[in-house]
Amino acid sequence: GAGVSQSPSNKVTEKGKDVELRCDPISGHTALYWYRQSLGQGLEFLIYFQGNSAPDKSGLPSDRFSAERTGGSVSTLTIQRTQQEDSAVYLCASSSIRDSLGETQYFGPGTRLLVL
Amino acid sequence: GNSVTQMEGPVTLSEEAFLTINCTYTATGYPSLFWYVQYPGEGLQLLLKATKADDKGSNKGFEATYRKETTSFHLEKGSVQVSDSAVYFCALSDQETSGSRLTFGEGTQLTVNP
Repeated sequence: GAGVSQSPSNKVTEKGKDVELRCDPISGHTALYWYRQSLGQGLEFLIYFQGNSAPDKSGLPSDRFSAERTGGSVSTLTIQRTQQEDSAVYLCASSSIRDSLGETQYFGPGTRLLVL
Repeated sequence: GNSVTQMEGPVTLSEEAFLTINCTYTATGYPSLFWYVQYPGEGLQLLLKATKADDKGSNKGFEATYRKETTSFHLEKGSVQVSDSAVYFCALSDQETSGSRLTFGEGTQLTVNP
């Protein structure tokens, strides 16, 4: 079956431009996560969607970052007025939350963002 | 808050050597523990996990035991192969204090030479 897919795989943009990154989770997975992987910062949590609940945005680094999830499936991460420090690999993951702890998160291949 | 500390890398071994990558954690709740692996040019994949104290996770010859008394989840493999060369991440999720998000360690680069 299809895994988590992300697009684009690579994105080069100029400082100050807006970018949109897309994530298609595994079909039927109710939980969706965005993480960022950058040199010096490692892997950082950004935002978490679970079903119809309000998202957990506590990891977003600034108000230039926003994300939405339409119809409980596809998600878009938007970065406005990009800065060079936004350069990183943006990872999306999904999981099927049940009652038990430790539900496995399945990661997409990531979008590599370079801000010039 | 929650945190994960991994042994510093990079680690370079010869084929068939024994591998240990240390991982310790700090959590206020009762976390689940994971090892994820990132092969060159690929995305993160779950290697193994353990959800409660004394559980042992295992996969592909790798093992890790959830040690609550030492707050550790060290990764071991008895005989590594060249194909094990990758970056390994220890992680935790703590439903009580931080929902289902994963908190990752810094990652350990492993290179296995033939």
